[in-house]
Amino acid sequence: QKEVEQNSGPLSVPEGAIASLNCTYSDRVSQSFFWYRQYSGKSPELIMSIYSNGDKEDGRFTAQLNKASQYVSLLIRDSQPSDSATYLCAVFNTDKLIFGTGTRLQVFP
Amino acid sequence: EAGVAQSPRYKIIEKRQSVAFWCNPISGHATLYWYQQILGQGPKLLIQFQNNGVVDDSQLPKDRFSAERLKGVDSTLKIQPAKLEDSAVYLCASSLGTAPTNEKLFFGSGTQLSVL
Repeated sequence: QKEVEQNSGPLSVPEGAIASLNCTYSDRVSQSFFWYRQYSGKSPELIMSIYSNGDKEDGRFTAQLNKASQYVSLLIRDSQPSDSATYLCAVFNTDKLIFGTGTRLQVFP
Repeated sequence: EAGVAQSPRYKIIEKRQSVAFWCNPISGHATLYWYQQILGQGPKLLIQFQNNGVVDDSQLPKDRFSAERLKGVDSTLKIQPAKLEDSAVYLCASSLGTAPTNEKLFFGSGTQLSVL
């Protein structure tokens, strides 16, 4: 079992829709969870972090964490073509940050 | 604020040759990371430095990869000899503190390595 699992996609959504990206992790003691966005040919940039169960909202982005289910998700409201990128889930495990393989999101006009 | 600087941006070498990458983290950042990102995969941590000491190098192929961080500032990653499967983007990142559980990592632009 991979430590951090994501569906590679692509996930295609129309402009203005809600994009839902999901991630599961294997280590129950993980405490910190992050979503990075990576445009093609560019380096990852942090867009959200979440540490406790529930929802955390920042603009059009909402991160959701369920530690009992070992599940973290990212919702993007009012999706824009500029949101088209690969979204990497990252989980802090012991003393290092483990990345998933990423989900490619395509937002079409 | 200057970001994480990496060079070169691109490198093409033949298998069995050696190559070195350089990284200068954001000023004052204590922790420096080298990640390998193979096309279509997420970044994989190769080595993590805290100041000039190694925190984690469990996934560094030590028979061919080496890294150092002199004086706790900039760092070099070397591959000798390179194999075809080393073709990847090598990302350097840094973070401010020494407890990365809730720290933001700042990534450099990466070095794209092609081994022919």
